[in-house]
Amino acid sequence: SQQGEEDPQALSIQEGENATMNCSYKTSINNLQWYRQNSGRGLVHLILIRSNEREKHSGRLRVTLDTSKKSSSLLITASRAADTASYFCATEPNFGNEKLTFGTGTRLTIIP
Amino acid sequence: DAMVIQNPRYQVTQFGKPVTLSCSQTLNHNVMYWYQQKSSQAPKLLFHYYDKDFNNEADTPDNFQSRRPNTSFCFLDIRSPGLGDAAMYLCATSRYGGEEQYFGPGTRLTVT
Repeated sequence: SQQGEEDPQALSIQEGENATMNCSYKTSINNLQWYRQNSGRGLVHLILIRSNEREKHSGRLRVTLDTSKKSSSLLITASRAADTASYFCATEPNFGNEKLTFGTGTRLTIIP
Repeated sequence: DAMVIQNPRYQVTQFGKPVTLSCSQTLNHNVMYWYQQKSSQAPKLLFHYYDKDFNNEADTPDNFQSRRPNTSFCFLDIRSPGLGDAAMYLCATSRYGGEEQYFGPGTRLTVT
């Protein structure tokens, strides 16, 4: 299977704390993306990092990419109750086949 | 302003009774995707269109078919739904493939 894996599978933290989730993948990539999915809804794109980038920020989100380890991390700072959702990483392979391979997801719960 | 619209949001069908799910987009994107997502799992790609070129995943059952009559619309036909086909079906679009995908809210399919 080409599917990536995310770690941890589930994470519960207090509101205001930082949340970190990790993604590992198997093939060489053009880019890696993170998506959020609220319960029973579609996915929402959060951030895209290209293979030649090491770190990217968007608001309270910080993404790192280590292509030598085939891994990425998503940090959400100062978490809010509204951040409660599932988070998926997705990769575009470097042979560019128009498709993304999604990771297994991390279920994040923010405790008010 | 909805960009990717899926209808219906909830669909109940009987075992073996054909069902069609629809997706429309206002983004004028070249690529449209259909994913199946079961509870607590990653989205699983069924097939995608790049313009009119149809691309089927190797493990997509023959029971699943798709049509894209024009740029804006794409349909998922399930010819003889089984209990195992109960899932959330997500439609997504991308301008050129491999980049950010825009997801619809999904159709929750129940098979009785």
